[in-house]
Amino acid sequence: NAGVTQTPKFQVLKTGQSMTLQCAQDMNHNSMYWYRQDPGMGLRLIYYSASEGTTDKGEVPNGYNVSRLNKREFSLRLESAAPSQTSVYFCASSDRLDSYEQYFGPGTRLTVT
Amino acid sequence: QQPVQSPQAVILREGEDAVINCSSSKALYSVHWYRQKHGEAPVFLMILLKGGEQKGHEKISASFNEKKQQSSLYLTASQLSYSGTYFCGTVRLNDMRFGAGTRLTVKP
Repeated sequence: NAGVTQTPKFQVLKTGQSMTLQCAQDMNHNSMYWYRQDPGMGLRLIYYSASEGTTDKGEVPNGYNVSRLNKREFSLRLESAAPSQTSVYFCASSDRLDSYEQYFGPGTRLTVT
Repeated sequence: QQPVQSPQAVILREGEDAVINCSSSKALYSVHWYRQKHGEAPVFLMILLKGGEQKGHEKISASFNEKKQQSSLYLTASQLSYSGTYFCGTVRLNDMRFGAGTRLTVKP
């Protein structure tokens, strides 16, 4: 099993450009998450999907959109990138919300110039 | 609000023990603990649930004081492989927040 995979691993964007980060899991998990991690800070939840067909905002959703394409895939879109969105983005999945461990992907390092 | 972790950093010699604390200002449903090595993804260590249930690795122990909204992670007889940044995540009403992390360095 690959677990949680993310593409791309690295990306450089110019301010105003758009892009989609892809995430897929092969563990048949119901819930999926997108986090960002900035230096000296913990992980901050951007959006999550409790189950296929549902998405909800997390702590820092502004500037992002998500799509739960199917049970396996959960994508994160930046419509108009800003330098403040320079960060490392992690996708994670778990069997269900709250009381189940989350499995993280390897991360996408995004730089917006 | 993010949970507060203490200490921010700790340096140990192999074989020494450490305690990492996590506190929240709000009532919690569960507390998660993860370890992240530099340049890698966080890895699950333990979940502590309201009511006393725990899920996690055998060699890791932790406590959860529901009344005080505090959790502590106990690392005993530390090994070099324990080095990394430890994060607690607190969950209430589907809202998950992570602390800023505790950097643990174990030296030979």
